[in-house]
Amino acid sequence: DAKTTQPPSMDCAEGRAANLPCNHSTISGNEYVYWYRQIHSQGPQYIIHGLKNNETNEMASLIITEDRKSSTLILPHATLRDTAVYYCIFPNFGNEKLTFGTGTRLTIIP
Amino acid sequence: GAVVSQHPSRVICKSGTSVKIECRSLDFQATTMFWYRQFPKQSLMLMATSNEGSKATYEQGVEKDKFLINHASLTLSTLTVTSAHPEDSSFYICSAREVLYQPQHFGDGTRLSIL
Repeated sequence: DAKTTQPPSMDCAEGRAANLPCNHSTISGNEYVYWYRQIHSQGPQYIIHGLKNNETNEMASLIITEDRKSSTLILPHATLRDTAVYYCIFPNFGNEKLTFGTGTRLTIIP
Repeated sequence: GAVVSQHPSRVICKSGTSVKIECRSLDFQATTMFWYRQFPKQSLMLMATSNEGSKATYEQGVEKDKFLINHASLTLSTLTVTSAHPEDSSFYICSAREVLYQPQHFGDGTRLSIL
């Protein structure tokens, strides 16, 4: 079973920031949070990961709460190509196997 | 960087045929590769984990004699679906990781259709 909870779907207007929440209340202190997305009929694409501090890269920002029990992925200026299923995952510590849940289906609206 | 190539992208074949899928890390050495399967409208399910030079570790319920995995080099892993049947039709996806605690990078998947 997936160990994270995400809303099943979200809409966001093109050009606006998309904020995708994730609850991971059972995460332990040394487990990273990873975000991937899957565009229809393609393999998942790595977006970003973090442990405690907020992270930013060319694709997105990741905000992790101080207690590490939840995080938010931010796509600052969503485009139509950002329409995808977004997965928040924290792998098993020590073997780093990924367990994919159902994710959030993000639809960017023109 | 971190490109994973998977081939072929689509296979259609008759029942009883064996099908080989290749997964290559193009710009990094992958100590670990993973194989997933995804049925329509479902999420990815991990099938097996393979480390270069050793036998693959299969997830519960995955038949190791049916899904043969070879990870002979740091840049190539293969999955062979032996004597495929219609119920094996699925989207097979590989991923590769350079070292522990680094992200997995995924191929574009192979859509397998068994007639």
